[in-house]
Amino acid sequence: DAGITQSPRHKVTETGTPVTLRCHQTENHRYMYWYRQDPGHGLRLIHYSYGVKDTDKGEVSDGYSVSRSKTEDFLLTLESATSSQTSVYFCAISEPGLAASYEQYFGPGTRLTVT
Amino acid sequence: TQLLEQSPQFLSIQEGENLTVYCNSSSVFSSLQWYRQEPGEGPVLLVTVVTGGEVKKLKRLTFQFGDARKDSSLHITAAQPGDTGLYLCAGAVPGTYKYIFGTGTRLKVLA
Repeated sequence: DAGITQSPRHKVTETGTPVTLRCHQTENHRYMYWYRQDPGHGLRLIHYSYGVKDTDKGEVSDGYSVSRSKTEDFLLTLESATSSQTSVYFCAISEPGLAASYEQYFGPGTRLTVT
Repeated sequence: TQLLEQSPQFLSIQEGENLTVYCNSSSVFSSLQWYRQEPGEGPVLLVTVVTGGEVKKLKRLTFQFGDARKDSSLHITAAQPGDTGLYLCAGAVPGTYKYIFGTGTRLKVLA
């Protein structure tokens, strides 16, 4: 199993508060991703990183920011949490190998509830 | 916007039956992955297909990538209760390191 951990695993927070989720990997993979998973929507990309301090937006990035100061850590911040951000958040890692073979490996997820 | 449509969304079958799950798009992908996800866990990679027309087998699971690299199928032979889970397909967007996920097929195999 790929060495990916997420913290916290569960969090309940109030609307308007800032929240930071952490993803930590021990695989030294260059690419890291944050997704959210909601019923009927599958997994949707929030932000991803292709190296230290190099990040880009995904399809649902509004209301989220990310930072990557070290290869092994990728942080997702909700600046001011809203109820629509209640979801399960997954981190994934990937390392480009053979052409087009960019498999992703996922962490265990963080269940976030915004009340 | 690229989309991946999976069908069926839900499938409940008896042990021993065969089934096929489809993943379709109007867009070309550079590769396509299939994952299985158990409740409370992250998706686990089953297979990656890269070449148009490619077929891969994983025990009772057969994966095929369409010739045009726009669609894929997952066929399970003689399903078992252990196959129960959420199956997700994901396409790698050409020229990027992004993936587009399908909405998933929730499979339940009854003993």
